[in-house]
Amino acid sequence: NAGVTQTPKFRVLKTGQSMTLLCAQDMNHEYMYWYRQDPGMGLRLIHYSVGEGTTAKGEVPDGYNVSRLKKQNFLLGLESAAPSQTSVYFCASSYGRGYEQYFGPGTRLTVT
Amino acid sequence: RKEVEQDPGPFNVPEGATVAFNCTYSNSASQSFFWYRQDCRKEPKLLMSVYSSGNEDGRFTAQLNRASQYISLLIRDSKLSDSATYLCVVNIVGRRALTFGSGTRLQVQP
Repeated sequence: NAGVTQTPKFRVLKTGQSMTLLCAQDMNHEYMYWYRQDPGMGLRLIHYSVGEGTTAKGEVPDGYNVSRLKKQNFLLGLESAAPSQTSVYFCASSYGRGYEQYFGPGTRLTVT
Repeated sequence: RKEVEQDPGPFNVPEGATVAFNCTYSNSASQSFFWYRQDCRKEPKLLMSVYSSGNEDGRFTAQLNRASQYISLLIRDSKLSDSATYLCVVNIVGRRALTFGSGTRLQVQP
């Protein structure tokens, strides 16, 4: 039982490049989330999903897209990376609304 | 005003000390509460849920005061390994995601 896993762990992009971050969970959770965390700031919700095939915008969705084609996977895409997207990205999942969230180990992204 | 407010610290305490953190929340529709722990450069991990009557887990005690809209975390007999950032987390009715505070940093010193 791996819980929540994220790939890759680290990535460096040049401005304008694109990439996809993959999150996978093996707990059969319905809800999945993508957050970013910047130094001195708390977690900010980018997008979330309440079930397979659904996605919704969070607090800071601009510049990101997501897809949830399978219940266990939640993908975060950056179409044209910008230096402002340099951050640590955490994926999380939960059984449902109001339940505790379980986090993946994070992806450290640097955009130069 | 942030919906969940925490003193960022750092709280510097010696080993063996008792330390307490408070967290205030502004939305009275907040329904459930948690404390998470985040080590440097790691993911947040659930420390404990907070129940209305208060609850204890070993050296950790959590309390909820709905009238004053705050929750607290008390750590007794602090260990070096308790050094981390403690996140106050609130579930607000109608929201699909939990609301996280920015965290309180604890540094336990030998």
